Order: sequence, then structure tokens, then C-alpha cells
Amino acid sequence: EAQVTQNPRYLITVTGKKLTVTCSQNMNHEYMSWYRQDPGLGLRQIYYSMNVEVTDKGDVPEGYKVSRKEKRNFPLILESPSPNQTSLYFCASSSRQGGDGNTEAFFGQGTRLTVV
Amino acid sequence: DAKTTQPTSMDCAEGRAANLPCNHSTISGNEYVYWYRQIHSQGPQYIIHGLKNNETNEMASLIITEDRKSSTLILPHATLRDTAVYYCIVRVAKAGGTSYGKLTFGQGTILTVHP
Repeated sequence: EAQVTQNPRYLITVTGKKLTVTCSQNMNHEYMSWYRQDPGLGLRQIYYSMNVEVTDKGDVPEGYKVSRKEKRNFPLILESPSPNQTSLYFCASSSRQGGDGNTEAFFGQGTRLTVV
Repeated sequence: DAKTTQPTSMDCAEGRAANLPCNHSTISGNEYVYWYRQIHSQGPQYIIHGLKNNETNEMASLIITEDRKSSTLILPHATLRDTAVYYCIVRVAKAGGTSYGKLTFGQGTILTVHP
């Protein structure tokens, strides 16, 4: 089954304690990205990767790091989490353009992070 | 990517068609219209997309006006499980560009299907 898997689904942590949220996809997609979702602000892109070893900032990258050492994995790293990073996080992947322009994105089930 | 405008919320009776409008008056010729939905804080789910022709799949139909400035997503027989936030997104779908994978989400339309 085609899927994007995020772990953990729920996480409560303390300010300053480094954490990693993992994301893995089994569809051999080139493009992967991370979004955060906050009430009233919608979904906003944090970082994206167009392929292995190619990453770039999205709209709200401050306080986050990513890496893309393998095609299937795209972990999100919070080196020193702060309470304003409390949010619902989604990983997504998609392939390059299909013949009809379709670049359907597949999303993970989300990680609800609370930083206290 | 072009900005979209959707109603904040809509209601629909179970078994009836749900028609969700989207305005994208500044859409460019190479931009597609995509629809996603998000059920209660789950990951967004792709529904359908189109360029200028009407499209239909097993989930929904997409009607795009001739001038492409607006579109309507149609769920032909809405069920309670279709209650969700529906997002209309217009974007370029072109390999090689730095933005081809990015989705810019607005606030969407909260669709409530009631018995």
C-alpha cells in the first residue's frame, strides 16, 4: 500500500530538548516536504526536498532542520524546540510531473507536537 | 501560485450532491486546479485536479468554467464521512521548477454533511 509514515504520532517534550520526527515513503517519490498546521494559519510549508541531498527552505523554516540522505526518508529535526513550535506536523511526498500534470501529494497522518 | 477564494462553510444533506465553489480569477494558463480535503486533523487527501476540461473520478467531479476563473467540486452523493475541510489550490505542475511540489493551502471550506 502506498503510504507516507510519520513517527511519532504524538509527542510532548520540554523546551530545548532536541527531537526528530521521522518520515518515510514507499512510493519512490522524488519530492518530499514538511508542513505545520496551526489554527487560523492553515498549513504552511517548512522545508522541502526535490531529491536526495537536495533540500531548501519553505515558508517557515526557522527553528527546523532537515536531511535527505536516502530517497525514502526525510526527517524533521528540532535542535532546540520552543513552545511556539507546538503544532500539528505533516510530511508529504509526490512524484515529478505525470503525463497529465498530476503531481498528487500523499500526506502522512500527522505528528502532534507539544513543547512545554 | 494564484490565490483562491472559497466559502468558509457549507452544509449538505446526506445522499444529496455537495457543490463546493472556488474562485481563482487570477489563474494563469499553465496552472492547474487541485482539490484536497482534510478530515478531522488527518493528513490532507488528494481528490481531483484539472486544467481546463471537466474531470471525473471515483470520488468527485470537477467543473471548470470556460474562462477558468472559477471551478466547482461536486460530490455526487455526499455521506457523513465526507464531512471535512475542502481545499481548492491552483498551482503550476511542472517538473524541474522549485515550486512544483509545493501546495499553498488557504482556509478551505468546512463541509458538514448531516443526516
